[in-house]
Amino acid sequence: EVQLVESGGGLVQPGRSLRLSCGASGLTFDDYAMHWVRQAPGKGLEWVSGISWNSDNIGYADSVKGRFTISRDNAKNSLYLQMNSLRAEDTALYYCAKGWAALRDAFDIWGQGTMVTVSS
Amino acid sequence: QSALTQPASVSGSPGQSITISCTGTSSDVGSYNLVSWYQQYPGKAPKLMIYEGSKRPSGVSNRFSGSKSGNTASLAVSGLQAEDEADYYCCSYAGSNTVLFGGGTKLTVL
Repeated sequence: EVQLVESGGGLVQPGRSLRLSCGASGLTFDDYAMHWVRQAPGKGLEWVSGISWNSDNIGYADSVKGRFTISRDNAKNSLYLQMNSLRAEDTALYYCAKGWAALRDAFDIWGQGTMVTVSS
Repeated sequence: QSALTQPASVSGSPGQSITISCTGTSSDVGSYNLVSWYQQYPGKAPKLMIYEGSKRPSGVSNRFSGSKSGNTASLAVSGLQAEDEADYYCCSYAGSNTVLFGGGTKLTVL
């Protein structure tokens, strides 16, 4: 069974940093693009960032560009999101989602999410 | 990057059919046949229902179908059932390695 498990969320002050992780199991991790999608409390889904299987192609939403960095370690079957200069509006449940071969493909497997709260 | 436009809510009675629209631009929905649709129950992770505009993943009921015309994609649900009551989100590739979601539509089964 394919499983994605996010970790690293928590309460952080505005302007500080946080690093999220997503561990994958039950799949050949380096065959697939991976993404971060977030959902603010009571709000809709917002795509945050995506990375191709070999890290050659990376994209970010305008709202996080220059502050967040996505990366992956295929040897560890892991996806990461380094979040710097956090703002109150970054408060959300952050999902890790698996794509298919290309960065443009749909997300067929989702984790359960890790909550990030930015507040003083 | 502006979110795709969906109606906030739609409703229908059991057995009826409904359609949820998703309007983008010529830079996203209109440029690529890469619209996907997700179903989300409260407190749960989203589930892929439609990909590449009209394809259903294995295990998704054939009561769900997708289509596209110009800059607008649509999700149709036929033979509404109580279990279909959920939030639905459209999503499109928008070029330059970016993706856009719609604002979401709450489907209520009356």
